[in-house]
Amino acid sequence: KAGVTQTPRYLIKTRGQQVTLSCSPISGHRSVSWYQQTPGQGLQFLFEYFSETQRNKGNFPGRFSGRQFSNSRSEMNVSTLELGDSALYLCASSLDGGVYEQYFGPGTRLTVT
Amino acid sequence: DAKTTQPPSMDCAEGRAANLPCNHSTISGNEYVYWYRQIHSQGPQYIIHGLKNNETNEMASLIITEDRKSSTLILPHATLRDTAVYYCIVRVGPGSSNTGKLIFGQGTTLQVKP
Repeated sequence: KAGVTQTPRYLIKTRGQQVTLSCSPISGHRSVSWYQQTPGQGLQFLFEYFSETQRNKGNFPGRFSGRQFSNSRSEMNVSTLELGDSALYLCASSLDGGVYEQYFGPGTRLTVT
Repeated sequence: DAKTTQPPSMDCAEGRAANLPCNHSTISGNEYVYWYRQIHSQGPQYIIHGLKNNETNEMASLIITEDRKSSTLILPHATLRDTAVYYCIVRVGPGSSNTGKLIFGQGTTLQVKP
């Protein structure tokens, strides 16, 4: 069974631009969660999507948004990029969230210059 | 979600058992204990989870105290590839609005030495 895939793996953007990251969950998984990892703040929860609806949201500004498609694939978008948005963005899929374990992708390394 | 406390770092000799402790004294009755690990620059990897009873799988064993206020992850025969940051996470189960959310602390950096 294929794992969680994320594209692109690496990205360099300039302040003020926007970026879209993609995540394909494990086949059959309906929940996709997104996390941001930085050296200073560690791993922080961004949001979770389940059946195309945002089910949970972390404490991030409105510049961070996401969506989920009918095939459970998910995208997250960051608008008006800031230097502090440089991070490893991870997505994780699970059967339905809940008590089911989450399986993480390799992440997208975003660098904002 | 209950908070967890882990030692920042631990060493273990290759081939020996690695015992990683976690305190979660404010855990609620419907909260599960999960363990993940993250090898440098990779996505976190699920290891094991439990509610009350001890659990074992092909990767590790999870020992939860009777009062559920602490737990220990055991890697029975640590190898160099087990060097990673290990996260102990307490999270609510079904029926909660936070069901899909994992709150990561700083974790324990386990260094397995030859």
